[in-house]
Amino acid sequence: EVQLVQSGAEVKKPGESLRISCQDSGDSFTSHWIAWVRQVPGKGLEWMGSIWPRDSDTKYSPSFQGHITISADKSTNTAHLQWSSLKASDTAMYYCARAACLRSVCRPYWYFDLWGRGTLVTVSS
Amino acid sequence: EIVLTQSPGTLSLSPGDGATLSCRASQSVTSDLLAWYQHRPGQAPRLLVYGASTRATGIPGRFSGSGSGTDFTLTISRLEPEDFAVYYCHLYGTSSQTFGRGTKVEI
Repeated sequence: EVQLVQSGAEVKKPGESLRISCQDSGDSFTSHWIAWVRQVPGKGLEWMGSIWPRDSDTKYSPSFQGHITISADKSTNTAHLQWSSLKASDTAMYYCARAACLRSVCRPYWYFDLWGRGTLVTVSS
Repeated sequence: EIVLTQSPGTLSLSPGDGATLSCRASQSVTSDLLAWYQHRPGQAPRLLVYGASTRATGIPGRFSGSGSGTDFTLTISRLEPEDFAVYYCHLYGTSSQTFGRGTKVEI
């Protein structure tokens, strides 16, 4: 069974950097857009951005552009979400998700057919 | 930007009951690019429906999606114990893709 395996929970202080990961256990990592989705406690889901691992083409939500970096490592089938300077408001659960392809056409803004279990990030002084 | 409003916020039901979950868009959606997900605590969210009404692979027939325009519905015909979870709708297809805030189906 293909899974997206996310890294463990993190506790950080404001201003610190952080990189969390999402590893695709299957063999189609370079054939799907991989997205990151945020869920602030008590709130809904927000799309942050997506990456095409084959060439690292990346699309960001305007709400997150400039504050996060999404990257991918084809050699390990792993996508990363990175902050250079965390804020308390970054406290949230972060999910990676794979966008479905329709008849071999893969789009960055598509529904998600596979999700990870989430990585809880807590930022507190 | 289109806002998705899910109602009710919480649905208190019993196994065997039927459930009707609503997702309303603030503007008419010209294409039926709406998905539904189930999220159980501690688990990965699971795709149930895409294209407003197409069940995803492996999803039981008791789940059905319908609607168009501004009003979309997820119907669960007979609740099984494993169906008690939070359900999210998702409008996709553009860079403004957005989610509803969820409906919790509880016992």
